[in-house]
Amino acid sequence: QKEVEQNSGPLSVPEGAIASLNCTYSDRGSQSFFWYRQYSGKSPELIMFIYSNGDKEDGRFTAQLNKASQYVSLLIRDSQPSDSATYLCAVTGTGGFKTIFGAGTRLFVKA
Amino acid sequence: GAGVSQSPRYKVAKRGQDVALRCDPISGHVSLFWYQQALGQGPEFLTYFQNEAQLDKSGLPSDRFFAERPEGSVSTLKIQRTQQEDSAVYLCASSLGWRGQGGELFFGEGSRLTVL
Repeated sequence: QKEVEQNSGPLSVPEGAIASLNCTYSDRGSQSFFWYRQYSGKSPELIMFIYSNGDKEDGRFTAQLNKASQYVSLLIRDSQPSDSATYLCAVTGTGGFKTIFGAGTRLFVKA
Repeated sequence: GAGVSQSPRYKVAKRGQDVALRCDPISGHVSLFWYQQALGQGPEFLTYFQNEAQLDKSGLPSDRFFAERPEGSVSTLKIQRTQQEDSAVYLCASSLGWRGQGGELFFGEGSRLTVL
């Protein structure tokens, strides 16, 4: 079992729709949870981080964390073609420094 | 610039050659990470430094891989006797956070290594 698992996609949504991206992790002691966006040929850049159970909203993005289920999600509202990218879930495990990435979910937003 | 700087951006090596990849983190960032990213995959953890101390090297694929950060700033990832399976993008990231504070990682542009 991989430490951080994501559906590789691709996930295709029409412009204006809600895109839902999911991630599970194996280390129950994990402390910090991140979503990074990576455009083709570019490096990852942080979109959201969440440390506590529940929802965290930032503009069109909402991160959701459920530690009991070891599940993290990212919702993108009013999806735009410019949101088309690979979304990487990252988890900082027990000890608080080693950050492990999932394989990423490719998102396509159709105009 | 103020970001993480990596060099070279592109490196072509013949199988068996040694390569060295350099990372210059953001000034003041305590933590430095190296990741390996194969095409279509997520970044795979290689190693982690807190200042000059290498606290975790569990992700290094073999003893051909070696990383150092002697003065707690610039880091070098060295790959000896390169093999074709070493072809990947090598990403360096730095973070302000100390151990126990998992913080945002700032990535460099990466070094793309192709082994022929």
